Amino acid sequence: NAGVTQTPKFQVLKTGQSMTLQCAQDMNHNSMYWYRQDPGMGLRLIYYSASEGTTDKGEVPNGYNVSRLNKREFSLRLESAAPSQTSVYFCASRGGNTGELFFGEGSRLTVL
Amino acid sequence: GEDVEQSLFLSVREGDSSVINCTYTDSSSTYLYWYKQEPGAGLQLLTYIFSNMDMKQDQRLTVLLNKKDKHLSLRIADTQTGDSAIYFCPRPGYSTLTFGKGTMLLVSP
Repeated sequence: NAGVTQTPKFQVLKTGQSMTLQCAQDMNHNSMYWYRQDPGMGLRLIYYSASEGTTDKGEVPNGYNVSRLNKREFSLRLESAAPSQTSVYFCASRGGNTGELFFGEGSRLTVL
Repeated sequence: GEDVEQSLFLSVREGDSSVINCTYTDSSSTYLYWYKQEPGAGLQLLTYIFSNMDMKQDQRLTVLLNKKDKHLSLRIADTQTGDSAIYFCPRPGYSTLTFGKGTMLLVSP
C-alpha cells in the first residue's frame, strides 16, 4: 500500500507557466482533497472531491482547477502560475474507520 | 475568526510533559483528531478521540475532551526530541477538515 502519492515533489515555474500536480491514492477512498501550506497561514483547503465525479471549492480556489479523473486520481492545475502560488501543496484522501485524512508527502512549488 | 484556536508555539525540555491545547467553535463531529507534521514531511494522524469520550490514553499520549467548553488537549509524557513537530487539531466538517496554523513544539535536550 503506497497510500497517497503526489508528483512532482519539487517544481520551479516562471510566472505565467502552467502545470498540473498529480495525486493518486490506493485505499479506495471516496473523498480527496488539495491543501496548500504557507508559513504563518497553516493549511488551507483549495478544492475537494467528495466522490468520483464531483468537485467543490474550498477556502482558496482562485487560480486553480481540479479534475477527479477516477476514484484513484485527483489532479490540481495551475493555468497561469503567479508568485503568490509559491507554496507546499498537499493532497489527501479521507477514509478508514474514523474518517481520518491520509496525506501525501507534499509538492513544493516555487513560482519566480 | 478561525474555527480552531491553538497556541502557535511551545518549548519544553526533553523528559518534561507537553500540553497542547485546542479550542473549537463547533464540536458536532463524531471524531476529533490530532495530526503531527515533522519538518519537511506530510501530516500524519497521531491519535483521535471519539466525541462521546472524555479521555483517551495511548502510550505517552493523553487526549482530553471537554465538550462543555469545546476544549481539546493533547498531553505528551516524557517528551523526546523526536516529538519536535507541528501539531494540528483540525475541525471536522461534513466533507472536510479545517486546519489552523498548528502548534510548533520544540523539544530541547
